[in-house]
Amino acid sequence: KAGVTQTPRYLIKTRGQQVTLSCSPISGHRSVSWYQQTPGQGLQFLFEYFSETQRNKGNFPGRFSGRQFSNSRSEMNVSTLELGDSALYLCASSWAGSYEQYFGPGTRLTVT
Amino acid sequence: GIQVEQSPPDLILQEGANSTLRCNFSDSVNNLQWFHQNPWGQLINLFYIPSGTKQNGRLSATTVATERYSLLYISSSQTTDSGVYFCAVYTDKLIFGTGTRLQVFP
Repeated sequence: KAGVTQTPRYLIKTRGQQVTLSCSPISGHRSVSWYQQTPGQGLQFLFEYFSETQRNKGNFPGRFSGRQFSNSRSEMNVSTLELGDSALYLCASSWAGSYEQYFGPGTRLTVT
Repeated sequence: GIQVEQSPPDLILQEGANSTLRCNFSDSVNNLQWFHQNPWGQLINLFYIPSGTKQNGRLSATTVATERYSLLYISSSQTTDSGVYFCAVYTDKLIFGTGTRLQVFP
């Protein structure tokens, strides 16, 4: 069974631009969560989607948004990029009702 | 909210050595995961272990939920074991510990 996939794997953007990251969960998984990892803040929760609805949201500004499609694939968007948005963005998926999370390889975003 | 602490923060071993990593959590939980973050950043699932003991090859884990801790044992370390090990508990999101950075030298 294929794992969680994320595209692109690496991305370089300029301050002020916007970016869209994509995550495809494991087949059958309907819950998708996003996390940001930085050296200073560690792993922080961004949001969770289940059946196309945002179920939970972390403490991030409104520039960070996401959505989930009917096939459970998810995208997250960051508008008006700041240098501090440089991070590894990780996506995780899980079965409905399960606590066990499976992570993708991540997208490493660099903002210059 | 729940706090998750890991110790030690750093561990340096020679190949073949054994090690124990600890994860303490501040409140009762009914789930706990251990992950290994490889040098490329991916979080690899090691164990989902709300309680009891599990083993997978050279790795094993024990969670004592009533005492709010979990242990990850690595035996006969290999250089490929290097990386950061995280424990995490799920409330309405995954709460990660601060990690243990393991370096295994030949």
